[in-house]
Amino acid sequence: KAGVTQTPRYLIKTRGQQVTLSCSPISGHRSVSWYQQTPGQGLQFLFEYFSETQRNKGNFPGRFSGRQFSNSRSEMNVSTLELGDSALYLCASSRNLQGESGETQYFGPGTRLLVL
Amino acid sequence: AQSVTQLGSHVSVSEGALVLLRCNYSSSVPPYLFWYVQYPNQGLQLLLKYTSAATLVKGINGFEAEFKKSETSFHLTKPSAHMSDAAEYFCAVSPGSTLGRLYFGRGTQLTVWP
Repeated sequence: KAGVTQTPRYLIKTRGQQVTLSCSPISGHRSVSWYQQTPGQGLQFLFEYFSETQRNKGNFPGRFSGRQFSNSRSEMNVSTLELGDSALYLCASSRNLQGESGETQYFGPGTRLLVL
Repeated sequence: AQSVTQLGSHVSVSEGALVLLRCNYSSSVPPYLFWYVQYPNQGLQLLLKYTSAATLVKGINGFEAEFKKSETSFHLTKPSAHMSDAAEYFCAVSPGSTLGRLYFGRGTQLTVWP
């Protein structure tokens, strides 16, 4: 079974631009979570989608948004990029068949975003 | 609020030596606990998961972790380190009340000397 895939793997943008990152979960997985990883803040939760609905959201500004499609693929968008948005963005998928907590999350390789 | 503390941001061991990576958590309810490993320029790979079925959990690559409720700890160990174990290790908790969200520790960078 193919793992979680993320595109693109690397991205360079300038301040003020916007960016869209894509995540394809493992086949059959319905939950997709997004995390930001930086040396200073570590791994921080952005949001989670399940069956096209955002169920949970971290403490990030409204410039960070996401969505999930009917095939469970997910995108996240960052508008008006700031230098501090430079990070590795990881998505993770889980089965969550019963809507249960504690499901194992399987991570993709990440998208490394550099904002100049 | 949930929190995960990993004692020691850097741990160095010789090849063949015991690996011990410490993790303490705070949770108001029995949590699900995880250890992940991250190699350079890669995502996170699951090492093992605690689900209350057994306090000693065996994972991949010879790693295991013991859940100690009284100490709120979930330390990761491996009897004999290998050069290929050099990576960053993250402890994470899912408290059971927050769907789809893991709370991560700050990570421990493991260096293995030949």
